[in-house]
Amino acid sequence: EAQVTQNPRYLITVTGKKLTVTCSQNMNHEYMSWYRQDPGLGLRQIYYSMNVEVTDKGDVPEGYKVSRKEKRNFPLILESPSPNQTSLYFCASSFSGAVYEQFFGPGTRLTVL
Amino acid sequence: QKEVEQNSGPLSVPEGAIASLNCTYSDRVSQSFFWYRQYSGKSPELIMSIYSNGDKEDGRFTAQLNKASQYVSLLIRDSQPSDSATYLCALSSTGNQFYFGTGTSLTVIP
Repeated sequence: EAQVTQNPRYLITVTGKKLTVTCSQNMNHEYMSWYRQDPGLGLRQIYYSMNVEVTDKGDVPEGYKVSRKEKRNFPLILESPSPNQTSLYFCASSFSGAVYEQFFGPGTRLTVL
Repeated sequence: QKEVEQNSGPLSVPEGAIASLNCTYSDRVSQSFFWYRQYSGKSPELIMSIYSNGDKEDGRFTAQLNKASQYVSLLIRDSQPSDSATYLCALSSTGNQFYFGTGTSLTVIP
């Protein structure tokens, strides 16, 4: 089954404790992206990647890191989480670039205390 | 900063009616436009994509794009209770970034 998977689905952590949210797709997609969704603000793009070793900042990259060492994986790293990073996070992938439909993962609900 | 504006609603329509969802955007160079549906607690899923001016129909859904007016809309004909969801308007730029509106909540009343 073609899908985007994220882990963990739910995470409660404390300020400053480094965490990684994993994202993996099995569709051989070139483009992958991370979003956060907050009430009243909608979906905002954090980082995106056009291919292996190619990443770019989206609208809200501060406090986040990403890497793309393999085509299928695109982890999101919060090195020192803060409460304002409490949000619902989605990973998405598409065949190539932003012209194509994005397929979204199930989401990760992160709470930073 | 590209802005995508949607009426947050809620929009309520009776079952069988036409639901009309609207979206305006501020960037004239935006290239691709999308409508996603998001059920509560779920991830967005694509309804329609549209790239050129005019109408595009897919089943009960019609997307309309007017680049001169910077306006994109989604019509849902014969609305069903299962269409009750939040509808997200999105666009992509030449730089491969995506921008989403805050969504319009639609309720279809049986």
